[in-house]
This record gives sequence, structure tokens and C-alpha cells, in this order.
Amino acid sequence: KQEVTQIPAALSVPEGENLVLNCSFTDSAIYNLQWFRQDPGKGLTSLLLIQSSQREQTSGRLNASLDKSSGRSTLYIAASQPGDSATYLCAVRGQAGTALIFGKGTTLSVSS
Amino acid sequence: GAVVSQHPSWVICKSGTSVKIECRSLDFQATTMFWYRQFPKQSLMLMATSNEGSKATYEQGVEKDKFLINHASLTLSTLTVTSAHPEDSSFYICSARSGAYNEQFFGPGTRLTVL
Repeated sequence: KQEVTQIPAALSVPEGENLVLNCSFTDSAIYNLQWFRQDPGKGLTSLLLIQSSQREQTSGRLNASLDKSSGRSTLYIAASQPGDSATYLCAVRGQAGTALIFGKGTTLSVSS
Repeated sequence: GAVVSQHPSWVICKSGTSVKIECRSLDFQATTMFWYRQFPKQSLMLMATSNEGSKATYEQGVEKDKFLINHASLTLSTLTVTSAHPEDSSFYICSARSGAYNEQFFGPGTRLTVL
């Protein structure tokens, strides 16, 4: 059974810092991996989706990498801002059409 | 495009009553819909997968007689929490997928509070 782990569980940084969030998964046979953002009490906002054949995806200040063989992904946030404060969730899909399996998330707090 | 809506966004009910939550794909046909539950400060846990016109497949530990799922059309799935109890209080999020996309699109969630 696929298990997704995210480290650290919480992170506090001053504004402007570059930071890395980590995600690991136990079964490397994935179809794709997706990073989401969730604000308190709200739904999910998709940030980046990486197909199993890809190594990384970039969107603005966000860069996500995927090393499928080692079962790891990282989300890199450059020049963090207070508006980046949220919980970041990593999720993997085992096969096309199956449900995403989520990690517990990393709660990020960026202070001004 | 690819918008998923949920109704209601929040609901408060008395213990023992049943609550229905609707999930709609607004601009695409969802061949598969997923229901998740999220407890405070926890991650999303998959409850069930439903394909249009078929019975839902429930994850281990989820009571199918308590959480009734209907996916009668390609744009609508419903989750009914029957005889709700305080421990059912949670954030319920639906997700929809079409054959044309490689990703799931999520609804905004429904906050259920059972008194």
C-alpha cells in the first residue's frame, strides 16, 4: 500500500528565504505526482503536476523535482513571501485513473 | 475550465440525522469521482471511488452503509452521511476526473459539524 511522507511537518522562515519541502513515497511505480496548497479551512489549489517520465516542473517561484527511482520529490520555493504561508500537500497517483494518495503536509509560515 | 463545485459549503446537523453533500463537475464530464475526508490538522484520506453508473468502491475501514455514494450522472455525485454522529464531523472534499485529463480536480470542500 502506497504511503506518502512529508518532512518537515512544519516550517517557519523569514520572508525572502529559499526553502525546500520534501516528499517521499514507498512505491516507486507511480503514474504522476502532484503538489497542492491548502489554506486553513479551504480546499486545494493545484501547484504543480509531474508525470512519471518527467524530472521537474516549474511555475513562477516554484520548482518541483521528481526522482521516481528513489521515491522522492522536492518542492522548492524561491524568495518566500508571507502570502506563501499555507499547508503544502504532496500526492501521488499509482496508475492512470486511480485516486491520489496524500501525505500529511508541511505547514509553512513565512514572517515579514 | 475543469471546475468542481460542492454544496453545501458547510452544514451543522443534530446527531442521528442524515446529510447529503453534492459534488458537480461544471464544465466537463467526470467518469470517476473520488470522496476524501480530512480531520483537523490531518491529511486527506480517500473514502471511496465512484464511476458513473457503477457502485462505489470503498477504502478499507469506511462503512459503505453509513456513507452512501451515488454517481448517477457524469456531472453529479452525492455523498450521504447517514445517522451522523459527532465523530463524523470533518471536512469532506470531492474530486472529479475525466478521461481527457491526467489529473483530478478538487471541489472546495464541505465542513460537516454534527452536534
